[in-house]
Amino acid sequence: NAGVTQTPKFRILKIGQSMTLQCTQDMNHNYMYWYRQDPGMGLKLIYYSVGAGITDKGEVPNGYNVSRSTTEDFPLRLELAAPSQTSVYFCASSHGRTNTEAFFGQGTRLTVV
Amino acid sequence: AQKVTQAQTEISVVEKEDVTLDCVYETRDTTYYLFWYKQPPSGELVFLIRRNSFDEQNEISGRYSWNFQKSTSSFNFTITASQVVDSAVYFCLFMDMGRRALTFGSGTRLQVQP
Repeated sequence: NAGVTQTPKFRILKIGQSMTLQCTQDMNHNYMYWYRQDPGMGLKLIYYSVGAGITDKGEVPNGYNVSRSTTEDFPLRLELAAPSQTSVYFCASSHGRTNTEAFFGQGTRLTVV
Repeated sequence: AQKVTQAQTEISVVEKEDVTLDCVYETRDTTYYLFWYKQPPSGELVFLIRRNSFDEQNEISGRYSWNFQKSTSSFNFTITASQVVDSAVYFCLFMDMGRRALTFGSGTRLQVQP
């Protein structure tokens, strides 16, 4: 099992550019999440999904979009990058029912200049 | 809404000292999960323990122990005989039973000096 895989690991974007952060998991987990971690802070929930075809906003969704067309994949889209989106992004998944432990990807360090 | 407070921003100890990391949470939910995760300097998030709201039994795993007290909404984490490798940021987390989403505390940075 690879667990939760995020790509890319690092990215520099110019203001106004768009990009998609990829997240895939091979554990057949229903629940998937996107978090961002600003320097010296805890993680804040951006979006989450309880299953394929279902997504919902978290605490800080502005400037982001997600989709969940399959159980495995949960991409995060930034449409118009802004310096305030400079952060480390973590994708996570959880079975949700029988085992609530969340498995995290390695993170994507994004810088918007 | 849930809230997790880790009042200790940074703790510095000398190797072999015991250290307790505090976690206090706020919720109106009667059922929930609590977690501790470790984030070493390399940046990944490592699961340490899960506790559900029904189970107030304390747990010990090697040098780690956890004290869950529902009456005071606290879930404290103690490292006994700390080691340099314990240096990391430790997060306390709350999971609600509806969305199953995690609410993070702001983390406690632990520095263990040799």
